[in-house]
Amino acid sequence: KQEVTQIPAALSVPEGENLVLNCSFTDSAIYNLQWFRQDPGKGLTSLLLIQSSQREQTSGRLNASLDKSSGRSTLYIAASQPGDSATYLCAVSRLKNTGNQFYFGTGTSLTVIP
Amino acid sequence: EPEVTQTPSHQVTQMGQEVILRCVPISNHLYFYWYRQILGQKVEFLVSFYNNEISEKSEIFDDQFSVERPDGSNFTLKIRSTKLEDSAMYFCASSARGGSNQPQHFGDGTRLSIL
Repeated sequence: KQEVTQIPAALSVPEGENLVLNCSFTDSAIYNLQWFRQDPGKGLTSLLLIQSSQREQTSGRLNASLDKSSGRSTLYIAASQPGDSATYLCAVSRLKNTGNQFYFGTGTSLTVIP
Repeated sequence: EPEVTQTPSHQVTQMGQEVILRCVPISNHLYFYWYRQILGQKVEFLVSFYNNEISEKSEIFDDQFSVERPDGSNFTLKIRSTKLEDSAMYFCASSARGGSNQPQHFGDGTRLSIL
């Protein structure tokens, strides 16, 4: 069974710092990997989706990389802002032609201090 | 931007009662999902639904659970006889395709509290 781990569990940084969140998974036979943001009491907001054939994706200040062979992904946040404070989840899916089941990590709780 | 909507936002139910959680996926999406998140734990997959039938379900999704798409817009999760351990946030998600280049879009969830 796929196990997804995220390190660190919590991170606190001053505003303006660049930071890296880590995600590892045990089964490299994934179909894609998606990073989400979860605000307290809210649902999950999709940030970036990386297909298994891709190495990275970028959106604004966010850059996600994927090394499928080693079972790792990183989410890089540049010039962090207080509004980036949230829990960040990564999820990996396995190939199904009738819908992808996601396996989630436990998340990294990020606090950006003004 | 289109979004997935879930109702109610909070449901309180007595143990043993039936509960129905409702979701309106994004209108042109074809794949629908339910996940749950017990407080302090990971988001867990429950079931995926495509072409009016369940395409995959996890071991959590036992005979107490069922899903339905009663019309062209709603997608529901029913728990027949709720247990205390069913207390969790339940998230609905949808995607345009099940393929690799379409992300899943999530609703804000329904917090289910079983007394």
